[in-house]
Amino acid sequence: AQKVTQAQTEISVVEKEDVTLDCVYETRDTTYYLFWYKQPPSGELVFLIRRNSFDEQNEISGRYSWNFQKSTSSFNFTITASQVVDSAVYFCALSEFNTGNQFYFGTGTSLTVIP
Amino acid sequence: EPEVTQTPSHQVTQMGQEVILRCVPISNHLYFYWYRQILGQKVEFLVSFYNNEISEKSEIFDDQFSVERPDGSNFTLKIRSTKLEDSAMYFCATTRYTPPTTGEQYFGPGTRLTVT
Repeated sequence: AQKVTQAQTEISVVEKEDVTLDCVYETRDTTYYLFWYKQPPSGELVFLIRRNSFDEQNEISGRYSWNFQKSTSSFNFTITASQVVDSAVYFCALSEFNTGNQFYFGTGTSLTVIP
Repeated sequence: EPEVTQTPSHQVTQMGQEVILRCVPISNHLYFYWYRQILGQKVEFLVSFYNNEISEKSEIFDDQFSVERPDGSNFTLKIRSTKLEDSAMYFCATTRYTPPTTGEQYFGPGTRLTVT
């Protein structure tokens, strides 16, 4: 079974539109961590955010915001006023307390921002 | 800002050959990982390494794979006899967190391995 599901394979938006990338996770651990990474066309993986299971506060960083809801096992990522430089593949990842530090990645959402 | 480095950036090898992928972790990080990403697919965990030994490994990490830290800086992944299906991007990642605490991992730029 997939531990992390990113149902949106590809999304295209026009510049300045807002876009939300969905992430649903599955775990039996009560202690776990969630992450978002960005993979631009150059291929590297860039860390964006970490959230632990005890902290459901939403977070905003500039144009980025994250909505963590344990009740629905979701950790969604919103980009406000999207820009062409936001075009990338975005991965959601899960790390569980009881399985060490390995990350379980989702299949990624490819975001294209059209100028 | 400190970063994880990987060499080479691209390696082409013939099936059956041995390859060694190298990573230099961020200096104060203690926990290291290898992941791979087959083209267009998700990133998959291979192995984690802490205190000079393997901490965890996935089903992908079979007897053809090995890791070591030959000196105080490099962290290597060796594939003894490459197969066509080993063609992928291989990422090294490091973190300053050690179990039971988990934190963000910082990824290197990757080595693209092409097996012909």
